[in-house]
Amino acid sequence: DAKTTQPPSMDCAEGRAANLPCNHSTISGNEYVYWYRQIHSQGPQYIIHGLKNNETNEMASLIITEDRKSSTLILPHATLRDTAVYYCIVRDLTSGTYKYIFGTGTRLKVLA
Amino acid sequence: DAGVIQSPRHEVTEMGQEVTLRCKPISGHNSLFWYRQTMMRGLELLIYFNNNVPIDDSGMPEDRFSAKMPNASFSTLKIQPSEPRDSAVYFCASSFRLEGAQGYTFGSGTRLTVV
Repeated sequence: DAKTTQPPSMDCAEGRAANLPCNHSTISGNEYVYWYRQIHSQGPQYIIHGLKNNETNEMASLIITEDRKSSTLILPHATLRDTAVYYCIVRDLTSGTYKYIFGTGTRLKVLA
Repeated sequence: DAGVIQSPRHEVTEMGQEVTLRCKPISGHNSLFWYRQTMMRGLELLIYFNNNVPIDDSGMPEDRFSAKMPNASFSTLKIQPSEPRDSAVYFCASSFRLEGAQGYTFGSGTRLTVV
């Protein structure tokens, strides 16, 4: 699976959109982009995933660039409860391996 | 659904003692994963099962670690004997299928402290 690069930390004002970037310049055609988050003292939580098209669900939006070398997770109206570590993961679902490599993620702090 | 249930939430034990961590996956999920999280190494996959059968245990650090899944609704991770360096948060996760296309669901974890 391709590696990802994320900024170590970000701050966001409550009520504003939080835009979390992820670089995955070595991504291959079969690899999906997944986002998880981990709130303090809890297990990781699945947020969203995509292959090439932009995706939206009740939690967030995922914007993937046309060349697929980077993506952005958007939390449209961040709340204090969105303070967490956000992990961007690239996975090939057809590879036969099932090892998520979580990396160090981005620590998002939502400020009141 | 109550989600993935792990027990105990916290465990403090003395070095050399046997420790058993428990996990109940989401009903209907046929894949189960055990992870360990430490500050130094982050989240590491230890072992995973599909349809109750261990598929890959290459992440298990030593022979002191063992895992079983006797049925679709229960799994254990055992450490015998435990050592202080085993102190970590251990997570169990489950998914409908191995590739977890719709994501894995994690439990709340067991915080293990070996003194």
